[in-house]
Amino acid sequence: KAGVTQTPRYLIKTRGQQVTLSCSPISGHRSVSWYQQTPGQGLQFLFEYFSETQRNKGNFPGRFSGRQFSNSRSEMNVSTLELGDSALYLCASSVVLAGGEQYFGPGTRLTVT
Amino acid sequence: TQLLEQSPQFLSIQEGENLTVYCNSSSVFSSLQWYRQEPGEGPVLLVTVVTGGEVKKLKRLTFQFGDARKDSSLHITAAQTGDTGLYLCAGADDYKLSFGAGTTVTVRA
Repeated sequence: KAGVTQTPRYLIKTRGQQVTLSCSPISGHRSVSWYQQTPGQGLQFLFEYFSETQRNKGNFPGRFSGRQFSNSRSEMNVSTLELGDSALYLCASSVVLAGGEQYFGPGTRLTVT
Repeated sequence: TQLLEQSPQFLSIQEGENLTVYCNSSSVFSSLQWYRQEPGEGPVLLVTVVTGGEVKKLKRLTFQFGDARKDSSLHITAAQTGDTGLYLCAGADDYKLSFGAGTTVTVRA
């Protein structure tokens, strides 16, 4: 069974721009969660989608948004990028909602200059 | 402030030595998961512990869940260079998974 895939793997953007990241979960997994990982803050939960609905959200500003499609694929969008948004963005899929075992993709490394 | 505190933050040992990583919280979790992350990759699930006092063994790795389901430990026996990585614990409640900051383990040949 194919694992979680994320595109693109690397991205360089300028402050003020917006970015969209994509995630394809493991087949049959209906939950997709997004995390931000930085050296200083560790792995921080952004939000979780299940059956196309956002079920839970972490403590991030409204510039961070996401959506899930009927095939469970998910996208994450960050608008008005700031230097502090530079991070590894990880997507994880799970069979169940809320606290299920996470299967992570390789991440998208976003650098904001 | 992290909901889960991991210690130590960094650990460097010689191949063949043993090590223990701790994960502590004041919150009770329905389950606790351990992951290992290698550079340039996403975390990979190692084990899930559910019952207070539970001990699980995965080859040279032993995982223990505290009786009160607030803390956990990971013990590696006779560490190998392939055990090098960032070890993350994550506690599950009804709403989400909360991760600790991780322990970076380096096993020297």
